[in-house]
Amino acid sequence: QVQLVQSGGDLVKPGGSLRLSCAVSGFNFSDYHMSWIRRGPGKGLEWVSYISRSGKSIYYADSVKGRFAISRDGANNSLYLQMTNLRVDDTAVYYCARSLGYATGFYHDAFDLWGQGTQVTVSS
Amino acid sequence: EIVLTQSPDTLFVSPGQSATLSCRASQSVSNNLAWYQQKPGQAPRLLIYAAYTRATGVPARFSGHGSGTDFTLTISSLQSEDFALYYCQQYNNWPPLTFGGGTKVEIK
Repeated sequence: QVQLVQSGGDLVKPGGSLRLSCAVSGFNFSDYHMSWIRRGPGKGLEWVSYISRSGKSIYYADSVKGRFAISRDGANNSLYLQMTNLRVDDTAVYYCARSLGYATGFYHDAFDLWGQGTQVTVSS
Repeated sequence: EIVLTQSPDTLFVSPGQSATLSCRASQSVSNNLAWYQQKPGQAPRLLIYAAYTRATGVPARFSGHGSGTDFTLTISSLQSEDFALYYCQQYNNWPPLTFGGGTKVEIK
């Protein structure tokens, strides 16, 4: 079954750390670029981070740069987001998502497969 | 950073009627624009990519139009399951990948 299954969300204090995981199944993980996207309470969707299929290209939103680290493990078919120095405004549901890839002759960084989401709450 | 502005914030539509949602980009994104549907407690679902191409399994009542800076998502003959939140997203010029603020489609 083609799916992304997330784990790792929790309640943490400001300044704390957390690692989110996204287990991939049903497709060749190494063929796809991946991202993390979040939705804060009462807010819209916010892209957080991207990692290319090789792992060589990595990008972050300015709001998390220097605090979050994305990684992938092909042997375990997993995507990770290491979050440090967490702030109250990092509180959100976090989603892992797969880039669509090549379709109609072009490459598309639209997200065609999403994890179920995991809640991260940062509060004292 | 490319800013996407969606309008209206909320759209009230009767079942069976059509709805047109707007997404305007602060600069041209060519046709590198996607639309998503999100329901409470669920992950977003890709509806449209490349401005007008329906994703796999998306009903034909969903259609996307536009290029450059102005885009629309039209839902014809709204069904009960279509009442949800809708987002546009550009992937033409990034990082960052950006989303619009969303339009909520509610029952009139």
